[in-house]
Amino acid sequence: DAGVTQSPTHLIKTRGQQVTLRCSPKSGHDTVSWYQQALGQGPQFIFQYYEEEERQRGNFPDRFSGHQFPNYSSELNVNALLLGDSALYLCASSSNSPLHFGNGTRLTVT
Amino acid sequence: GIQVEQSPPDLILQEGANSTLRCNFSDSVNNLQWFHQNPWGQLINLFYIPSGTKQNGRLSATTVATERYSLLYISSSQTTDSGVYFCAVGRVVQFYFGTGTSLTVIP
Repeated sequence: DAGVTQSPTHLIKTRGQQVTLRCSPKSGHDTVSWYQQALGQGPQFIFQYYEEEERQRGNFPDRFSGHQFPNYSSELNVNALLLGDSALYLCASSSNSPLHFGNGTRLTVT
Repeated sequence: GIQVEQSPPDLILQEGANSTLRCNFSDSVNNLQWFHQNPWGQLINLFYIPSGTKQNGRLSATTVATERYSLLYISSSQTTDSGVYFCAVGRVVQFYFGTGTSLTVIP
């Protein structure tokens, strides 16, 4: 039973570029949430997707957008990258159940 | 949003020692989870415990929802317990994380 998988594991981008991160939820889970974790901080909620719709959004600008596909997998897109977007991006899946996190994508913006 | 405070922020233990980590939160919640983040960044579920007490091996947790706090107990600590422990709370969708307790277990 595969857990939550994220790709890529590491990514280096230049300021102003765009990036897409991918997440496949744990088998049986239909809800995907994205979190950003800056160095030394706890994860912060970006948004959650359920039934291919954004259900709730945290305090992040519109440069952060997402999508959920019919197979429940999800993408996080970040446009016009800033140095401050450098962080560990975590995907969590659930289904009226506890959150299960993937291993994350470490994004470095130079 | 819900404020989450974890204490202590840092903890250094000798292998075999016991410890208690605390999580206080500012509002009523339906969900509470404890996670262990290893040095590679993996967030590992420890407990889903919105109320009551649970035990899993050397770890146990207690949440007193009416008083808005949760405790994580680690007994007979091992070097593999090192890492950051996070408490996360929420109502329906969004989880709020504390800044974590960084635990170092020395052989």
